[in-house]
Amino acid sequence: DAGVIQSPRHEVTEMGQEVTLRCKPISGHNSLFWYRQTMMRGLELLIYFNNNVPIDDSGMPEDRFSAKMPNASFSTLKIQPSEPRDSAVYFCASSFQENTGELFFGEGSRLTVL
Amino acid sequence: SQQGEEDPQALSIQEGENATMNCSYKTSINNLQWYRQNSGRGLVHLILIRSNEREKHSGRLRVTLDTSKKSSSLLITASRAADTASYFCARENSGNTPLVFGKGTRLSVIA
Repeated sequence: DAGVIQSPRHEVTEMGQEVTLRCKPISGHNSLFWYRQTMMRGLELLIYFNNNVPIDDSGMPEDRFSAKMPNASFSTLKIQPSEPRDSAVYFCASSFQENTGELFFGEGSRLTVL
Repeated sequence: SQQGEEDPQALSIQEGENATMNCSYKTSINNLQWYRQNSGRGLVHLILIRSNEREKHSGRLRVTLDTSKKSSSLLITASRAADTASYFCARENSGNTPLVFGKGTRLSVIA
């Protein structure tokens, strides 16, 4: 299996622009998680889905952030409009919830908002 | 918000020495997991220990869990330069909630 695939790996954009991050989970996994990692705050859970349904989005910073999972093999995290404080590495992870709950992470999308 | 932290925040040792990292938490857990992150990469699962277990081994890794003290430790024996990475503990709190990660320990192994 190719593992969790995220794109883009790096994104540099200007404040106010829309950013869309993409994730393809491991085939057969039924849970998907979006995390944000910064030096100051560490790894924060933004939102997670079970069977394509959003379960808890309480970690989403504000209305500028939205996430979708239209099918079992694709998810997006959108920031509109982006701000410099959104600069971080965004990770997608998937798991098969009926197992141990071990998470499989993608390589991350490093976002820089100027 | 995150619960509990790893310590130390950073650790530098010589190749061949053992490295011990600790993790504390505040609420009841189902299991505790340790992950490794190389610079610029995603996190990789190392080992999981359930709340009814006290110790687990995997190769050069040894994990202990003390639920009475709400703490866990990760021991890497005979460290190698390739072990240089950040190590995170993650708690699955009771109630099947998503994993909560600490801020990690940055380990540097000097050849």
